Amino acid sequence: EAGVAQSPRYKIIEKRQSVAFWCNPISGHATLYWYQQILGQGPKLLIQFQNNGVVDDSQLPKDRFSAERLKGVDSTLKIQPAKLEDSAVYLCASSFFTIGSGNTIYFGEGSWLTVV
Amino acid sequence: AQSVSQHNHHVILSEAASLELGCNYSYGGTVNLFWYVQYPGQHLQLLLKYFSGDPLVKGIKGFEAEFIKSKFSFNLRKPSVQWSDTAEYFCAAQYKGGGNKLTFGTGTQLKVEL
Repeated sequence: EAGVAQSPRYKIIEKRQSVAFWCNPISGHATLYWYQQILGQGPKLLIQFQNNGVVDDSQLPKDRFSAERLKGVDSTLKIQPAKLEDSAVYLCASSFFTIGSGNTIYFGEGSWLTVV
Repeated sequence: AQSVSQHNHHVILSEAASLELGCNYSYGGTVNLFWYVQYPGQHLQLLLKYFSGDPLVKGIKGFEAEFIKSKFSFNLRKPSVQWSDTAEYFCAAQYKGGGNKLTFGTGTQLKVEL
């Protein structure tokens, strides 16, 4: 079974530039997540989609971060303009979604961003 | 706010030593609990999970964890670690009604020496 695919794996940009990350979830997974993992910290949820709708974006810095999942499958996370503190690993994850029960979340390998 | 605490940030053990990593979660109603592992250069992988039933859960690679509701804890254990267990370990909680999202602890970096 194919896992969660992410690209690019590594990106170095200057501050104030823009960057976009792409994610393709596991086939059949309706729920897609973007997490930010800063060095030395645990992953923090940025945004959660259920199909093409947003379930939770309460921790997404909306002045610079945006994400979309237009057709309910793959997703793009954009940062514009980037700040030094955005240097992190951006993890995409996916899961089935069944109301009333938990679901295992599967993670991609992550996109490593360095802002200089 | 819902939170997960991992007490040990760095642990160094010799091969064959026993391992116990602490994890506590904040109260928030019904909760599912997970341990993920991240080997160097690799993605987060699920070690084990607890949804309900037997509070002692067994995962891959000889790991197990015990859910103690009265202590809000979900500690990870392994009787005898190997060099290949060197990795970062994350405890995570999934609160019912929270839309399936995971709340992670800060992680524990485990180094196993030969």
